[in-house]
Amino acid sequence: DGGITQSPKYLFRKEGQNVTLSCEQNLNHDAMYWYRQDPGQGLRLIYYSQIVNDFQKGDIAEGYSVSREKKESFPLTVTSAQKNPTAFYLCASRRGEEQYFGPGTRLTVT
Amino acid sequence: GQQVMQIPQYQHVQEGEDFTTYCNSSTTLSNIQWYKQRPGGHPVFLIQLVKSGEVKKQKRLTFQFGEAKKNSSLHITATQTTDVGTYFCAGQGGTYKYIFGTGTRLKVLA
Repeated sequence: DGGITQSPKYLFRKEGQNVTLSCEQNLNHDAMYWYRQDPGQGLRLIYYSQIVNDFQKGDIAEGYSVSREKKESFPLTVTSAQKNPTAFYLCASRRGEEQYFGPGTRLTVT
Repeated sequence: GQQVMQIPQYQHVQEGEDFTTYCNSSTTLSNIQWYKQRPGGHPVFLIQLVKSGEVKKQKRLTFQFGEAKKNSSLHITATQTTDVGTYFCAGQGGTYKYIFGTGTRLKVLA
């Protein structure tokens, strides 16, 4: 069953802790993306990767880091430097023109 | 930086009424995509428009790309309860980088 998985669905952390969000795909897509979704603001691009071992900053990369060591995996780390980390995080992969989104992880930091 | 705005932010319609959402970019776009996100779900790709003035139809949905390639619209004829969700446009802001609009949340009253 092909697709994109993100885990966990809900994540709770204390302020000051780093947290890593998982994103795995078995679609054999080269390109992968991380977005953040806040109410009323649509999706904002955090990082994207066109190929293994390469990635670029999106519009709101500050306080986040990524790695792309394998084609299937694109984990996102939310660091303590991110001032407002509570949000819904969506991972996507792309084939041609179409982006395929995972189910998302809702992160709450208190 | 490049911005993509959508109006209206919210729309409530009676079932059977028509619905339109408009997307406006601050810069010329190479193409524009539309996505639908059901409540509690993730965005799902609907369509991509590439040519100036292009019009595409999917059953009750009609998509248009403006002549100047800076605006787009999605029109739904005779809405149904299954149309409920948030509709996003996404403009290509650079090579493989997409800028999402703020979204229009549609509620359909039975």
